[in-house]
Amino acid sequence: GAGVSQSPSNKVTEKGKDVELRCDPISGHTALYWYRQSLGQGLEFLIYFQGNSAPDKSGLPSDRFSAERTGGSVSTLTIQRTQQEDSAVYLCASSSGVWGPGQPQHFGDGTRLSIL
Amino acid sequence: TQLLEQSPQFLSIQEGENLTVYCNSSSVFSSLQWYRQEPGEGPVLLVTVVTGGEVKKLKRLTFQFGDARKDSSLHITAAQPGDTGLYLCAGEAGGGADGLTFGKGTHLIIQP
Repeated sequence: GAGVSQSPSNKVTEKGKDVELRCDPISGHTALYWYRQSLGQGLEFLIYFQGNSAPDKSGLPSDRFSAERTGGSVSTLTIQRTQQEDSAVYLCASSSGVWGPGQPQHFGDGTRLSIL
Repeated sequence: TQLLEQSPQFLSIQEGENLTVYCNSSSVFSSLQWYRQEPGEGPVLLVTVVTGGEVKKLKRLTFQFGDARKDSSLHITAAQPGDTGLYLCAGEAGGGADGLTFGKGTHLIIQP
């Protein structure tokens, strides 16, 4: 597609349930990023993929969070046993993957996750 | 952990006035990017500055990267109601693997 696509756009679920968020990056973009945007916290970097590989998972908030990318394209962010503090907008971005400073990141419109 | 302090957090001014948003850090960044975000949408890139001391202009918006690559500013001349939005600065530490470090944003309201 023309831009980064995220689904669902909104997700409401009960505490303790698992959720899966999907990101479809711009075609040909090898780099993919997940961020979380919470009220008062700004955007927080979660994880980066170059191709299917995530070299550093230390940005994920807890071991309830996991992410994968297959085929160098679609990525999923999974949150297990959701807690109320997981409520936020989860944003995905992609870039060309060319090494060097200043590569622009193109963001999707995010998934607004609400945990009841 | 790298931090970006963005100020002011909120700004409401009249149409035609000038304003400056600041982004400061004690860390050096390889690039500094400015984004604008509308409600319900993802951030959209406005500009990227890479070289210390660099100045870029985008119509009425002027972006500056500090000489030491630790700070940046966004200056808007003769603000218009269409400039209303959330402005975010984001610093890049390396070549991309660390993701971007974002400031908390400036909520700008331009009143007609």
